[in-house]
Amino acid sequence: KAGVTQTPRYLIKTRGQQVTLSCSPISGHRSVSWYQQTPGQGLQFLFEYFSETQRNKGNFPGRFSGRQFSNSRSEMNVSTLELGDSALYLCASSLGLAGSDTQYFGPGTRLTVL
Amino acid sequence: DAKTTQPTSMDCAEGRAANLPCNHSTISGNEYVYWYRQIHSQGPQYIIHGLKNNETNEMASLIITEDRKSSTLILPHATLRDTAVYYCIVRATSGTYKYIFGTGTRLKVLA
Repeated sequence: KAGVTQTPRYLIKTRGQQVTLSCSPISGHRSVSWYQQTPGQGLQFLFEYFSETQRNKGNFPGRFSGRQFSNSRSEMNVSTLELGDSALYLCASSLGLAGSDTQYFGPGTRLTVL
Repeated sequence: DAKTTQPTSMDCAEGRAANLPCNHSTISGNEYVYWYRQIHSQGPQYIIHGLKNNETNEMASLIITEDRKSSTLILPHATLRDTAVYYCIVRATSGTYKYIFGTGTRLKVLA
């Protein structure tokens, strides 16, 4: 079974631009979560989607948004990029069920903002 | 959300068992303990998880204390490829599926 895939793997943008990152979950998984990883803040939860609905949101400004499609694929968007948005953005998928449910992570998208 | 505390770093000799401790003294009865590891700039890799009982799989063993306030991840025969940052996470079984990552333990396996 294929794992979580993220595209693109690397991205370079300049301040003020916007960016869209894509995540394809493991087949059959209905939940997709996004995380930001920076050297200073570590791994931080951004948001979680389940069946096209945002189920949970982390403490990030409104410039960070996401959505999930009917096939469970997800995108996240960052508008008006700032230098501090440079990070590894990780997507994780899971079945999305209560109880023992494991998230599996993709390889990440490395975003550099110049 | 329950918090976890882990040592910042540990060394282990190749071929020896690596025992990585985690403190989660505020864990609730419905929260699982998950372990992941991250090898430099890759996505975190799932290792193992448990609720109350000790668990073992092909990668590792998880020992959870009876009061569930702490746990230990055991890599039985560490290899150089096990050098990574190991994260212990506590996650609720319903309502929210987000992971709260701590700073993790940087394990270095020495030849």
